[in-house]
Amino acid sequence: LAKTTQPISMDSYEGQEVNITCSHNNIATNDYITWYQQFPSQGPRFIIQGYKTKVTNEVASLFIPADRKSSTLSLPRVSLSDTAVYYCLVGDLSNYGGSQGNLIFGKGTKLSVKP
Amino acid sequence: EADIYQTPRYLVIGTGKKITLECSQTMGHDKMYWYQQDPGMELHLIHYSYGVNSTEKGDLSSESTVSRIRTEHFPLTLESARPSHTSQYLCASSASAGQYFGPGTRLLVL
Repeated sequence: LAKTTQPISMDSYEGQEVNITCSHNNIATNDYITWYQQFPSQGPRFIIQGYKTKVTNEVASLFIPADRKSSTLSLPRVSLSDTAVYYCLVGDLSNYGGSQGNLIFGKGTKLSVKP
Repeated sequence: EADIYQTPRYLVIGTGKKITLECSQTMGHDKMYWYQQDPGMELHLIHYSYGVNSTEKGDLSSESTVSRIRTEHFPLTLESARPSHTSQYLCASSASAGQYFGPGTRLLVL
């Protein structure tokens, strides 16, 4: 099980780029990296997923170095509505057993965006 | 947006009552999950299912039970509710990539 480590909290201002880094030193060959966003009183929302290098969608970018021992979620030009908790999960997508990392959310990073 | 529904959204009930939290998805996903989350705390997986007639317990022990008779339906039942069951219950489903979550049920047991 690839354990993940993220900062507990981060602060930013509107319009800035925010980078949240997740460490996963014992990531396995078949593991993917998935990021979720959660607002208070709502279920998490899938943001982005990747295996290596860089992945970009309309919401965020995900940077994964060659050794895959960490990953960085990049949110361009954040707004107040990006204030949320962000979770990094690592696991084998082909195996959804209860102890798999892709089902373990951890504490996440609480991002606060200020005006 | 994914189509996954939970009812009721809010439930206040007395100790000892039997309750069933409903979860349905219209995406044809084989895998479904139940998580429990207290305010400001981590999500904990309590049940999951790979498909019809398949159910497993998650990493957090729970007194609740689940069933999966139809692909689209994954209800959670508490035979005798207690105040310690007060929490938010989140249902999710997935195909291969990420999970899609429902809006959750906030349960308060008095």
